[in-house]
Amino acid sequence: AQKITQTQPGMFVQEKEAVTLDCTYDTSDQSYGLFWYKQPSSGEMIFLIYQGSYDEQNATEGRYSLNFQKARKSANLVISASQLGDSAMYFCAMRVWSNDYKLSFGAGTTVTVRA
Amino acid sequence: NAGVTQTPKFQVLKTGQSMTLQCAQDMNHNSMYWYRQDPGMGLRLIYYSASEGTTDKGEVPNGYNVSRLNKREFSLRLESAAPSQTSVYFCASTSRRDTGELFFGEGSRLTVL
Repeated sequence: AQKITQTQPGMFVQEKEAVTLDCTYDTSDQSYGLFWYKQPSSGEMIFLIYQGSYDEQNATEGRYSLNFQKARKSANLVISASQLGDSAMYFCAMRVWSNDYKLSFGAGTTVTVRA
Repeated sequence: NAGVTQTPKFQVLKTGQSMTLQCAQDMNHNSMYWYRQDPGMGLRLIYYSASEGTTDKGEVPNGYNVSRLNKREFSLRLESAAPSQTSVYFCASTSRRDTGELFFGEGSRLTVL
């Protein structure tokens, strides 16, 4: 079974600063993918970024980057230059290729950006 | 672009009542999923349908049934609702191509009294 751990229930960050959200995962599969989703207070789930287990470069999407450390089984999300609109819940998720594209989610981290 | 559409968005039930959550996607996706979200627990998979004509249990299937009506539609049924089923329910789908990211509906908030 796959397990995703997000140890930070909540974080505060000052506007324009960077913030790192921790995510560790556990799987015995070699082929897997890691995802980050954002859930604002309105409730929808917004896909942010993806990293495949065989990708050699860390994924980046605009102000989002994924710090992938395969040996440590971590996939931390870095949000640079935080904006007030970044205040939301963030979920780390993982899928292994053998399991019908099911995603396993962590418990989430709430980020609050202060002006 | 509609994407994934869930109905109803809000529902209040009494213990023992039944109801069906409807989900439809217009992206021609093969796989569809039902998750529930509870505080502090992230999203947990209830049931999924890898392709039209198949359904399988996820992590927390007890108390639920599903129907993959056709390629577009995947419904979740609570036969006899319990307070423990108070939650936010999300339907999602994927094409199983590229990253295989899940596309989510807006969620359905269910309260069981």
